[in-house]
Amino acid sequence: ELKVEQNPLFLSMQEGKNYTIYCNYSTTSDRLYWYRQDPGKSLESLFVLLSNGAVKQEGRLMASLDTKARLSTLHITAAVHDLSATYFCAVEYNFNKFYFGSGTKLNVKP
Amino acid sequence: DAGVTQSPTHLIKTRGQQVTLRCSPKSGHDTVSWYQQALGQGPQFIFQYYEEEERQRGNFPDRFSGHQFPNYSSELNVNALLLGDSALYLCASSLASGARTQYFGPGTRLLVL
Repeated sequence: ELKVEQNPLFLSMQEGKNYTIYCNYSTTSDRLYWYRQDPGKSLESLFVLLSNGAVKQEGRLMASLDTKARLSTLHITAAVHDLSATYFCAVEYNFNKFYFGSGTKLNVKP
Repeated sequence: DAGVTQSPTHLIKTRGQQVTLRCSPKSGHDTVSWYQQALGQGPQFIFQYYEEEERQRGNFPDRFSGHQFPNYSSELNVNALLLGDSALYLCASSLASGARTQYFGPGTRLLVL
């Protein structure tokens, strides 16, 4: 069964700093997704990465995909408090079968 | 444009009972997936429905079953409830083609006593 590992699981950072969340997966996949979840809320789609070398950016968040290394990164630039949330990566395998990581809980301190 | 809706929002059942959860997809979407999210964990894929048929299934027992109706709405049924079934159940809808981005509903929180 496909394994998806995120690290770190918890991340506390100061506003204005940069950091990267890593998502490793064990088997060749079809595509990779990043989601955000606020406490007590549902998941919000951030990015869909469809091919090797794909890079997507939205505001202070940038996601990339290296299918050869089976690695995706979510880079946070100049963090602000509003980015505090739990971030999940999810891998689509065998067409329409989805595996999520355990999530990275991000706390951005003022 | 209404997003994904789920009902009920909360539910309390006892062990051995059966439960039905409902989901209406985002307008224009034809595919519905169901997930179980335990507290502090990532969502676990239960199954996906497309054209009224189960297209993919995760590692869940047969106690978990579903249905998709001609209007694309969907139900998740869980029989013989166990304490371990207590979780947030999320429905996500998407289009069968293209990026297949999933849009999640607010979830149904199920507590089994």
